[in-house]
Amino acid sequence: DSGVTQTPKHLITATGQRVTLRCSPRSGDLSVYWYQQSLDQGLQFLIQYYNGEERAKGNILERFSAQQFPDLHSELNLSSLELGDSALYFCASSQRAAAYEQYFGPGTRLTVT
Amino acid sequence: GENVEQHPSTLSVQEGDSAVIKCTYSDSASNYFPWYKQELGKRPQLIIDIRSNVGEKKDQRIAVTLNKTAKHFSLHITETQPEDSAVYFCAASTAGANNLFFGTGTRLTVIP
Repeated sequence: DSGVTQTPKHLITATGQRVTLRCSPRSGDLSVYWYQQSLDQGLQFLIQYYNGEERAKGNILERFSAQQFPDLHSELNLSSLELGDSALYFCASSQRAAAYEQYFGPGTRLTVT
Repeated sequence: GENVEQHPSTLSVQEGDSAVIKCTYSDSASNYFPWYKQELGKRPQLIIDIRSNVGEKKDQRIAVTLNKTAKHFSLHITETQPEDSAVYFCAASTAGANNLFFGTGTRLTVIP
């Protein structure tokens, strides 16, 4: 157990809908990273927040957005969902803004039907 | 940006043999190189990492070596066991960068 928690574990929704994924970092970690992993694919970096502020952006679609709250938990919002958005979504946390020692949560499996 | 290439994509070894996975990176400013193990349907798990000020790091049966001149790093697993079967990802991060760049993964199968 990494200490990073994610909810929900599974999510099934229809095309065009909007969902919110939640992540709580390890105690003491200020950075949260979001990654997407499609079937048999690698890990695609989406976005990073550090202490409430956006720090880095990767291959995140405009239909996706994220935020980090004062208690440091983060939410990833996915809207106008398409079939191709079906994937595992992981968050990871680390102590600092730099990318060292990221610990991953268990992931949310999103299925868009 | 950084580009990380990983080889091989699949690797099968007999139990007890060694396994080696290699990665190359493009940005000479990269200074942090972690390795993650991901079992089917589970989270990537950080198993070992190395920073550019050292050439080798070992933790029990796993070791990572780094060649800064050639811009490549490798994961070595000795005395492999069936529970080592998983997908392994290498990654790199540039000094001051805020994200990791991942390789495409190696599916390791240890045959009992």
